[in-house]
Amino acid sequence: KQEVTQIPAALSVPEGENLVLNCSFTDSAIYNLQWFRQDPGKGLTSLLLIQSSQREQTSGRLNASLDKSSGRSTLYIAASQPGDSATYLCAAPYSGGGADGLTFGKGTHLIIQP
Amino acid sequence: GAVVSQHPSWVICKSGTSVKIECRSLDFQATTMFWYRQFPKQSLMLMATSNEGSKATYEQGVEKDKFLINHASLTLSTLTVTSAHPEDSSFYICSARGGYGMAPYEQYFGPGTRLTVT
Repeated sequence: KQEVTQIPAALSVPEGENLVLNCSFTDSAIYNLQWFRQDPGKGLTSLLLIQSSQREQTSGRLNASLDKSSGRSTLYIAASQPGDSATYLCAAPYSGGGADGLTFGKGTHLIIQP
Repeated sequence: GAVVSQHPSWVICKSGTSVKIECRSLDFQATTMFWYRQFPKQSLMLMATSNEGSKATYEQGVEKDKFLINHASLTLSTLTVTSAHPEDSSFYICSARGGYGMAPYEQYFGPGTRLTVT
């Protein structure tokens, strides 16, 4: 059974800082890993999907890396802005491989101070 | 592309009644859809996997007779909460796995349905 852990649980920083959010997973036989953003009371916004054959993916100020051997992924946010304030969720396939549902971490609650 | 919708977006019902939530893939066919539940201040938990034309697979601890899932077409899955009780109040989110020509095994999430049982 997959287990996903995210560190830190919460983070509050002034705007402009570069940030690193960490995710670890126990079953490295994954096909991909996804990062999501969730605003309060809202659904999920997919940020990045990294296939197991990839080491990283970039979208604008976001960069996500994947190291299957160590069971870790990081989400890097450059030049943070108040609009980045949200909960960031990491998710990996439920039972390994990629055919099953996702196991989510508890998230990192991010606050960017103006 | 790859849009998933849910209906309704929020619903309030009385204890003992049943509520149906729809999940639709609007611009792609999804042979597999998933249902998740999120309690306040907690993360998402997988409830069940729904495959078109076959019975859903439920995760441990999820009552299949209480949470009825039907995946009758390649674009529609429904979750019916039967005899709802206040403890069923939660945020229910579905996802659909992309098909041919889409990123392998990527899941596309609906906006969620907030259920409140009074």
